[in-house]
Amino acid sequence: DILLTQSPNSLSASIGDRVTITCRASQTISVYLNWYQQKPGKSPKLLIFAASTLQSGVPSRFSGSGSETDFALTITGLQPEDFASYYCQQSFTSRATFGQGTKLEIK
Amino acid sequence: QVTLKESGPALVKPTETLTLTCVFTGFSLSTTGMRVSWIRQPPGKGLEWLARIDWNDDKFYGTSLKTRLTISKDTSRNQVVLTMTNMDPVDTATYYCARTPLAARGSFDIWGQGTAVTVSA
Repeated sequence: DILLTQSPNSLSASIGDRVTITCRASQTISVYLNWYQQKPGKSPKLLIFAASTLQSGVPSRFSGSGSETDFALTITGLQPEDFASYYCQQSFTSRATFGQGTKLEIK
Repeated sequence: QVTLKESGPALVKPTETLTLTCVFTGFSLSTTGMRVSWIRQPPGKGLEWLARIDWNDDKFYGTSLKTRLTISKDTSRNQVVLTMTNMDPVDTATYYCARTPLAARGSFDIWGQGTAVTVSA
């Protein structure tokens, strides 16, 4: 199975900050990398698919980049509603895998 | 409007078999490229993909659990069923079903609300 390693595991930031979460794959996955946001007690929500395509309805302050093994999710201008956990997921193989998650907390 | 909703027992005993049902609306699992997956999340932990069934009845299972899982679909009733045998307390989790249409490049674009399952004697 493809291992996805997110960095950092947790992150403290302030409203208005720009933050970046990275996801590294154990083997090349082209651009088959997706990002989700999850708030406590809620289902995950798709933010970015195919590494850099913004899901419909997701604010443009979210952006994704990368290919092959190294990917990033960037939030430019943090809003109060962005404090949540974030997960990457690969869809290169038939057996999907997720990163361990990054918890974004307010400073 | 696309929705998915999971249902199943809230409590199961160790060694029992868990059966979960995902009922969906707003799309058809007979549409070319459509997929439905099951994903779980233990309390306070991360997401684990479990299984997937495709529009053409192809099935895929997570490596660590594949001997215990069976996924099936009833296209006419818009349902996907997951069974997990030999349940253990470590299987305590919220179980989600999620949709993957062809255009989503393998991502899960819509999720159900999840159903919490506790494994305890």
